[in-house]
Amino acid sequence: LQLQESGPGLVKPSETLSVTCTVSGDSISSSNYYWGWIRQPPGKGLEWIGSLYYSGSTYHNPSLKSRVTISADTSKNQFSLKLNSVTAADTAVYYCVPHRGKGATDVFDVWGQGKMVTVSS
Amino acid sequence: EIVLTQSPGTLSLSPGERATLSCRASQNVGGNYLAWYQQKPGQAPRLLIYGASTRATGIPDRFSASGSGTDFTLTISRLEPEDFAVYHCQQHGNSYTFGQGTKLEIK
Repeated sequence: LQLQESGPGLVKPSETLSVTCTVSGDSISSSNYYWGWIRQPPGKGLEWIGSLYYSGSTYHNPSLKSRVTISADTSKNQFSLKLNSVTAADTAVYYCVPHRGKGATDVFDVWGQGKMVTVSS
Repeated sequence: EIVLTQSPGTLSLSPGERATLSCRASQNVGGNYLAWYQQKPGQAPRLLIYGASTRATGIPDRFSASGSGTDFTLTISRLEPEDFAVYHCQQHGNSYTFGQGTKLEIK
């Protein structure tokens, strides 16, 4: 299972940040994984943003929920993150990370390389 | 939200020494669903431990972890040069939250 993030590296304040994750080695339409997003501001800790299940259900960090949209393009085996009304506090490395969704193995054991996104005018 | 507090913030040790890192939760972690990750500069985190004490695939046995409820510990028995990194704890008993990290640096 491999993941690769892509998208603009620079976003203006108040606009929408978009990052796409291309998955290889499994289908995002399978029930094997939830497809998640985690971010890490420079020099800071990790924050789970949200996850998408193949059924279309999404789960979000309550602190970001109103600004987050996670969706899938099954034809391309990709899933995407959109974060609207961004500020400088949203500057971070954005990782796509699959996880099992329940149980002791519901951990983040495969990571994309990360996409650095800077919010600046 | 379960808040995880890691201590110390920075730990300065020499190769060959024993490292003990702490992760304290603001409330009980359901199922003891606590994981530890190692992160080196410019890299994504790597899973070390899940279920509070189970080593992930390929993790050397010098890494061990224990704990339950609200108090968890990661121990590195004899530090190798490649072990100097930032360590994050993470709970998934109630949504997903991470600690702020402990930086393990060479003394």
